[in-house]
Amino acid sequence: KAGVTQTPRYLIKTRGQQVTLSCSPISGHRSVSWYQQTPGQGLQFLFEYFSETQRNKGNFPGRFSGRQFSNSRSEMNVSTLELGDSALYLCASRKTSGGHYEQYFGPGTRLTVT
Amino acid sequence: DAKTTQPNSMESNEEEPVHLPCNHSTISGTDYIHWYRQLPSQGPEYVIHGLTSNVNNRMASLAIAEDRKSSTLILHRATLRDAAVYYCILRQNAGNMLTFGGGTRLMVKP
Repeated sequence: KAGVTQTPRYLIKTRGQQVTLSCSPISGHRSVSWYQQTPGQGLQFLFEYFSETQRNKGNFPGRFSGRQFSNSRSEMNVSTLELGDSALYLCASRKTSGGHYEQYFGPGTRLTVT
Repeated sequence: DAKTTQPNSMESNEEEPVHLPCNHSTISGTDYIHWYRQLPSQGPEYVIHGLTSNVNNRMASLAIAEDRKSSTLILHRATLRDAAVYYCILRQNAGNMLTFGGGTRLMVKP
């Protein structure tokens, strides 16, 4: 079974631009969560999507947004990029049936803002 | 959110057992205890989780104190591949959000 895939793996953007990151969950997983990882703040929860609806949201500004499609694939968007947005963005999927709570993480997208 | 406290780092010798402690004194009755680990240059990987009883799986064992204010992740025979940052996380029963702390960096010596 293929794992969680994220594209692109690396990205360099300039301050003020916007960026869209993509995540394909494991087949059959309907919940997708996004996390930001930085050396200073560690791993922080951004948001979770299930059945195309945002279920939870972390403490991030409105510049960070996301969506989920009917095939469970998810995208996150960051507008008006700031230098502090440089981070590893991780996507995780979860099988929601049968009481499964373990999340499966992708390799991440490393975003560098210059 | 309830918080967890873990040592910043620990060392172990290869093929010896490792006990990684976690304190969570403000845990609520419905919080699940999850452990994830993150190997270098990879996303976090699920290890184990439990609520009240001790749990075993092919990767590790989780020992939960009777009052649930602490838990210990046990790797029965550490290998070099187990060198990673181990995160102890409390997950609220009602949600799927994971709140990661600083974790414990485990170093395994050959």
